[in-house]
Amino acid sequence: DGGITQSPKYLFRKEGQNVTLSCEQNLNHDAMYWYRQDPGQGLRLIYYSQIVNDFQKGDIAEGYSVSREKKESFPLTVTSAQKNPTAFYLCASNKGDSTDTQYFGPGTRLTVL
Amino acid sequence: KQEVTQIPAALSVPEGENLVLNCSFTDSAIYNLQWFRQDPGKGLTSLLLIQSSQREQTSGRLNASLDKSSGRSTLYIAASQPGDSATYLCAVWGYQKVTFGTGTKLQVIP
Repeated sequence: DGGITQSPKYLFRKEGQNVTLSCEQNLNHDAMYWYRQDPGQGLRLIYYSQIVNDFQKGDIAEGYSVSREKKESFPLTVTSAQKNPTAFYLCASNKGDSTDTQYFGPGTRLTVL
Repeated sequence: KQEVTQIPAALSVPEGENLVLNCSFTDSAIYNLQWFRQDPGKGLTSLLLIQSSQREQTSGRLNASLDKSSGRSTLYIAASQPGDSATYLCAVWGYQKVTFGTGTKLQVIP
């Protein structure tokens, strides 16, 4: 089955901890994206990567970090510097063309205890 | 800065009714516009993508239109069904940037 997987589905973090959200795709897509979704707000772009070993900040990158060591994987680390990390996190991918549809994973819900 | 607005925020209709969801955007310099469906606690599923040079796209009971000059797109759902109940999001792609609307939550009552 081709698609995007995210794990875990639910994640709980204590204050001051870093946590890493996994995103894997087997669609052979060049570009991958991380979004954050909060109630009553549209999705906001955190980071994106259009090629292996390269990534750019989105609109709300502060307190987050990413890596793109493999084409299939784009993990997101939520650091302790992120002041309000409780949210729903969505990963997406596409071929990299601005005209190409994005395919989304099922999401990870992060809650800070 | 691109702003995307979806009105209404919530909509409740009886089964079988035809309905229109609205999406407006402030900057007409876009590459494409996409409509998504999101079920509670799930990811987004792409419904229709309209390139900037196109006026509309159709898929089954769904029809999306785009009027760049007025900064508007509509998603038309024909003969609505309870299974159509979900939140519908529009997203606008500009140069290296995408802006999402906040969505319209649709409930179709049997």
